[in-house]
Amino acid sequence: DGGITQSPKYLFRKEGQNVTLSCEQNLNHDAMYWYRQDPGQGLRLIYYSQIVNDFQKGDIAEGYSVSREKKESFPLTVTSAQKNPTAFYLCASHPQKNTGELFFGEGSRLTVL
Amino acid sequence: GQNIDQPTEMTATEGAIVQINCTYQTSGFNGLFWYQQHAGEAPTFLSYNVLDGLEEKGRFSSFLSRSKGYSYLLLKELQMKDSASYLCAGRNDYKLSFGAGTTVTVRA
Repeated sequence: DGGITQSPKYLFRKEGQNVTLSCEQNLNHDAMYWYRQDPGQGLRLIYYSQIVNDFQKGDIAEGYSVSREKKESFPLTVTSAQKNPTAFYLCASHPQKNTGELFFGEGSRLTVL
Repeated sequence: GQNIDQPTEMTATEGAIVQINCTYQTSGFNGLFWYQQHAGEAPTFLSYNVLDGLEEKGRFSSFLSRSKGYSYLLLKELQMKDSASYLCAGRNDYKLSFGAGTTVTVRA
């Protein structure tokens, strides 16, 4: 089945540790996105990528890093520089520039202890 | 930018109709989306408006007025399973900016 797979679904880490969240899609979509969602808030854009080996900062990129070495994969690293990393992280993709809905993965819930 | 504003909460009775309004800044606007999100789950796509007017899809309809920077989502014949958060999102070039969401509670 085609779709977006995020892993892990739940993740617990100690403060100060870097964490990498995986996002893989087999939809052949060009664009991929990472969003963060906090309780009672909307989705905020962290990073996005339109093509392989290229990505841009979103509205809240500080403390995060990404890579786009393959079309199918867009991993997100939450670094120790991110002050409040506990959140629900959503990966999304869409097939064309400027058009089309976003398709979302199931999300990864990160809790920093 | 795409400041997206929508009400925080709405409550309605099963079988009724609810209208969720959304306003946005029009600069660079390139489409308006509505998503449904149940607690702890990913958003699911409901509708997409790029031209003015009403788009109807079963019990859900979405309206857009680009000149006014205004959209609404209309939910008819409400069912208990419609209790969820409804997210309004505006596209600006390659970015989709989301509102904080409207939590709709359907009561029996």
